[in-house]
Amino acid sequence: DQQVKQNSPSLSVQEGRISILNCDYTNSMFDYFLWYKKYPAEGPTFLISISSIKDKNEDGRFTVFLNKSAKHLSLHIVPSQPGDSAVYFCAATPRKGGSEKLVFGKGTKLTVNP
Amino acid sequence: SAVISQKPSRDICQRGTSLTIQCQVDSQVTMMFWYRQQPGQSLTLIATANQGSEATYESGFVIDKFPISRPNLTFSTLTVSNMSPEDSSIYLCSVNGGWVDEQFFGPGTRLTVL
Repeated sequence: DQQVKQNSPSLSVQEGRISILNCDYTNSMFDYFLWYKKYPAEGPTFLISISSIKDKNEDGRFTVFLNKSAKHLSLHIVPSQPGDSAVYFCAATPRKGGSEKLVFGKGTKLTVNP
Repeated sequence: SAVISQKPSRDICQRGTSLTIQCQVDSQVTMMFWYRQQPGQSLTLIATANQGSEATYESGFVIDKFPISRPNLTFSTLTVSNMSPEDSSIYLCSVNGGWVDEQFFGPGTRLTVL
């Protein structure tokens, strides 16, 4: 039973355009959501997060939107750059506290073409 | 941020053998986590390792198959025992800086079992 789903295994966009990566979840106990970026041969690195009390969080070119009623979140990258090419993982947890485990999606491989 | 190293970075092993993966952190941390990413799958938590106590295993993972040591606050090992081709995965360790946003990952160990 996959609690966090990233239904698009890959996405390709042109440099300068918007990249939209989607994530759905099924567990209504999830209250905190994160996006991680992973380059080949490296571990995932934290990118941006959002709490369920918000519907939007922005950090530079990266914005995460949360639609709690639809159990859906998305990561927008504007403008996309070739260096953004990586695998993006959506993750969820019941709360922000450090002892909670993260439940990850399968990832979406983003390719930004020059 | 924490700097995490893992050894080996990759290995090819014969079925029935065991491999011990080492995880070293550049600072003292309370909690260390071991994840597995099977091909095309999400990152799945194997166990949580706290110094001075037995590791806590997630559903579907047992100590006999994945024994873990945590001798001090900067080091942990995960052993993959009696390996089969189904154990071919990337194994990652991670540490928690206090908040779930601050979960830092090592570069991973890519294991292939023939």
